[in-house]
Formats: sequence, structure tokens, C-alpha cells
Amino acid sequence: AQSVTQLDSHVSVSEGTPVLLRCNYSSSYSPSLFWYVQHPNKGLQLLLKYTSAATLVKGINGFEAEFKKSETSFHLTKPSAHMSDAAEYFCVPFDNQGGKLIFGQGTELSVKP
Amino acid sequence: KAGVTQTPRYLIKTRGQQVTLSCSPISGHRSVSWYQQTPGQGLQFLFEYFSETQRNKGNFPGRFSGRQFSNSRSEMNVSTLELGDSALYLCASSTGTGRIHSEAFFGQGTRLTVV
Repeated sequence: AQSVTQLDSHVSVSEGTPVLLRCNYSSSYSPSLFWYVQHPNKGLQLLLKYTSAATLVKGINGFEAEFKKSETSFHLTKPSAHMSDAAEYFCVPFDNQGGKLIFGQGTELSVKP
Repeated sequence: KAGVTQTPRYLIKTRGQQVTLSCSPISGHRSVSWYQQTPGQGLQFLFEYFSETQRNKGNFPGRFSGRQFSNSRSEMNVSTLELGDSALYLCASSTGTGRIHSEAFFGQGTRLTVV
């Protein structure tokens, strides 16, 4: 069975500084992994996806994530935070057996001016 | 290309009533999944429909049911509503085919409040 751990429930950064949101997953095989973002009272928007083609994945709005199988990690980064990045972020593996996305508790990102 | 459309956006119902939520997926997508989001439990998988058949199911009571029509639109029904059913219900659309799971696109959700 797959599971996901987002290591920080809340991350606060200043505008213009780098963002790092940490994610570890457990799986016996290479998974499909996604990062989604949710702004207040909105649905989920796909930021990027990993499906074994390349370990460094570039997404929208300057975000990228690196898949490290040896560390079972898929951390999300962005070189320079913008105020509009303030939102909830979810690292989401796809459970092939259950046919569903596995959501953790998410990481809330705050961006200070 | 239109996104995933969920209606209504907001609903207020009384305990014991039943409710039906609707989801229109992206054109060409045959898979529709439903998730419940609450502050306490986070996002939980309800069920997935593919080509009018329920393909996967989460751990929710039988009061939660769904169906999918031939045009891939899906409805979710909750009967005998309880206060704990108050949540944001999200619908996700994907192609649903292929060896590697394709990305899911979510709607804005339906905010259900049970009073």
C-alpha cells in the first residue's frame, strides 16, 4: 500500500526567498506522483506530475520537484516565492491497486511581504 | 477547453434529507472520481466511475452512492444526511486509461452544509 508524509504542516517564507515543501512517500514500486495546490475555497490545481520519464519535473508558476527513489522523496521547490503562492499544497501519490489518489494532510504555505 | 464543472457550488440541507451533487468532466474524459474534504479528515476518496461503471470505492457508508451517465457526467447522492457530512465535495476528471495514471483535474467543489 502507498502512503505519503508531508513533513511540515506549515511553512512560512518571505516574498522573494526560496520555497521548499517536503514530501516522503512509501511504495514498493515507482509511483505516479503529483503536487496539487489549493487556494482558499477553491478546488485543487495540478502543479506538476512525475510518471518515471524524468526525475526532475518542472511545473507551472516556476515550481519544480525532484524524484529521489533512494530517499523516497519528492520535494517541491521554487526559487523565489510570490505572494500569490500562499495556499495549501498536497503531495499526492496514485495508488494503482485502489485506483485512487492518496492525500496527506497538506502543507500550508504562508508568504510574508 | 472547458474544465470540470460541479453544481451547485453551495448547498444547505437539514439532517435526514438527501442531496444530489453533479459533476461534468472535461470533454473526452471517461473517469470521474469523488473526494470528500473536511478539516478533520482531510481529503478522502469516495468512489470512481469509468464508462458508467463503479471501478473503485472508498470506505464510506452505503448512504453515499453515485452513478455515471453515457456522456460521462456523474452524480453523487447522499441519503439521510448527518451533521458530519458537512464538507467540500470535489470531483476529479481524468482519461482513466493507460498503464501510467494520467493526471486528474478537479472541479471547484460543492460546499455542503448540513444543519
